[in-house]
Amino acid sequence: GAGVSQSPSNKVTEKGKDVELRCDPISGHTALYWYRQSLGQGLEFLIYFQGNSAPDKSGLPSDRFSAERTGGSVSTLTIQRTQQEDSAVYLCASSQTSGGSNNEQFFGPGTRLTVL
Amino acid sequence: EDQVTQSPEALRLQEGESSSLNCSYTVSGLRGLFWYRQDPGKGPEFLFTLYSAGEEKEKERLKATLTKKESFLHITAPKPEDSATYLCAVSRMDSNYQLIWGAGTKLIIKP
Repeated sequence: GAGVSQSPSNKVTEKGKDVELRCDPISGHTALYWYRQSLGQGLEFLIYFQGNSAPDKSGLPSDRFSAERTGGSVSTLTIQRTQQEDSAVYLCASSQTSGGSNNEQFFGPGTRLTVL
Repeated sequence: EDQVTQSPEALRLQEGESSSLNCSYTVSGLRGLFWYRQDPGKGPEFLFTLYSAGEEKEKERLKATLTKKESFLHITAPKPEDSATYLCAVSRMDSNYQLIWGAGTKLIIKP
């Protein structure tokens, strides 16, 4: 079956430009997560969506970052006025639910963002 | 402060040479500990979840164990295809979705 897909796979942008990263979760998964992965560091939690509940945005590093999830499926992470420190791999994951013993997260391949 | 530390940062082994990766954690109330494998250019792939001290899980050449302070990922007679970065993460009892991640151990198996 289809896994989590992300697009684009690579994005090179100039400092100050806005970028949009897209995530298509596994069909039927109600929980969706965005992470940032920098070289040599652990995954950094950004934002979490669960069904129709208000998202947990506590991990977003600044107000330049925002995300939405339309119709409980596709999600878009937007970074405004990109900075060089935003360069990283942005990973999206989905799971059937959150908590319990079945919250295995399935990851997409990530979007590598490079800000020049 | 909640923290997950993995060691070593990198490990090179000969094919067939068994070893262990370590994940030590400090967390206020452990809900679960997760092991993932990540290949270059790909997202992490789930391996195991452990919930209580003394628990063990196995998959092919991998066995994960858990104590109150750390987890080990034992790899027996590894093959080159086991080369990857292995990530450890923990979840807290007061959060059923947030994971705290270690930086990973890069494992290289030489033929």
